[in-house]
Amino acid sequence: DAMVIQNPRYQVTQFGKPVTLSCSQTLNHNVMYWYQQKSSQAPKLLFHYYDKDFNNEADTPDNFQSRRPNTSFCFLDIRSPGLGDAAMYLCATSRDRGLGEQYFGPGTRLTVT
Amino acid sequence: GQQLNQSPQSMFIQEGEDVSMNCTSSSIFNTWLWYKQDPGEGPVLLIALYKAGELTSNGRLTAQFGITRKDSFLNISASIPSDVGIYFCAGQENSGYSTLTFGKGTMLLVSP
Repeated sequence: DAMVIQNPRYQVTQFGKPVTLSCSQTLNHNVMYWYQQKSSQAPKLLFHYYDKDFNNEADTPDNFQSRRPNTSFCFLDIRSPGLGDAAMYLCATSRDRGLGEQYFGPGTRLTVT
Repeated sequence: GQQLNQSPQSMFIQEGEDVSMNCTSSSIFNTWLWYKQDPGEGPVLLIALYKAGELTSNGRLTAQFGITRKDSFLNISASIPSDVGIYFCAGQENSGYSTLTFGKGTMLLVSP
């Protein structure tokens, strides 16, 4: 089945130690998104790629970076995680930019110790 | 920025009851989406709506795109325990280059 895959499902990192979360998709969608979701809150968009075009949200901290080496893969890099970065990180895709439907992966739960 | 008001914030119902929840916005949306999120999982798309007045069903779920294009409703009929979760509405303001705005979610608890 076509899907959005996130690895790992659970990630523990130390305060200040860089961490990378990965997302892959078999849907061949043009757009990939990264969201941060904290407990009892809605997902918050960090940035998205339309093909290779990177689009950062205005309030996304510089500590968060992303890479999309090809259509199928997208990475979220947190350069110096703080305790406040502990959250669920969700990857999503959509077929194209003008289409609302986004399909989410299962998420990666990040813990910062 | 744009905000979506989703209500109710939570619901605790008996199995077999029908459920209604809604989202309203201060501006016009071209797309309304409804997602369900189970604990520890990503949101799953339930229903997508693209036209004002559109009424779409997915099994026991029915959603409507309000005729003013500023609201949407989700109904669940004959609820069962596996309906438990958080339901999010999300809207897209125009069909061009815009991202989704999410409601704050409705937590649904179903008692057997």
